[in-house]
Amino acid sequence: AQSVTQLDSQVPVFEEAPVELRCNYSSSVSVYLFWYVQYPNQGLQLLLKYLSGSTLVKGINGFEAEFNKSQTSFHLRKPSVHISDTAEYFCAVSEYAGGTSYGKLTFGQGTILTVHP
Amino acid sequence: GAVVSQHPSWVICKSGTSVKIECRSLDFQATTMFWYRQFPKQSLMLMATSNEGSKATYEQGVEKDKFLINHASLTLSTLTVTSAHPEDSSFYICSAWAGGGYEQYFGPGTRLTVT
Repeated sequence: AQSVTQLDSQVPVFEEAPVELRCNYSSSVSVYLFWYVQYPNQGLQLLLKYLSGSTLVKGINGFEAEFNKSQTSFHLRKPSVHISDTAEYFCAVSEYAGGTSYGKLTFGQGTILTVHP
Repeated sequence: GAVVSQHPSWVICKSGTSVKIECRSLDFQATTMFWYRQFPKQSLMLMATSNEGSKATYEQGVEKDKFLINHASLTLSTLTVTSAHPEDSSFYICSAWAGGGYEQYFGPGTRLTVT
């Protein structure tokens, strides 16, 4: 079984400041890693994903994340945030191909990012 | 990108009635669809996994007789909340997965309020 921990439930930040949303995971097998964003009363939109290859992954809206296998982390970063980035962000893992839970997503608790002017 | 729709987006029903929620993948065939439930200010909890043409697999603690899932085609899955009660009020989100390493595509969600 896998689990995901998002270390910060809320992150306030001023506009144009950098931000990092932290995510750690636990799994006995190899995993795929994802970051999703959710705006109020909406579904989830994929920001970026790590499947294999380069550990630095770039996504939409200027976000990037780095996979660190030794620290089992997948932190999300953005060098300069905008008011419109205010939303809830979810880190998720999916078991690697061939596993019995392949395809199922396990989500972290979510981090509410609030960007202040 | 891939689009998943849900209908209705918002529904209010009386206690004891049943409600059906549809999830459609509009521009791709989904081998698997997932149903999630999200309580206010909480994360998504997987309820069940549905594969086209076969019975859904429910997560532990989810009542399969209460949450009926039908995956009639590669583009449509339905969730029926039977004999709904106020505690079933929640935000229900579906996702569709084409398999492989591809990500799940999420629907916009359905807000269910049971009075």
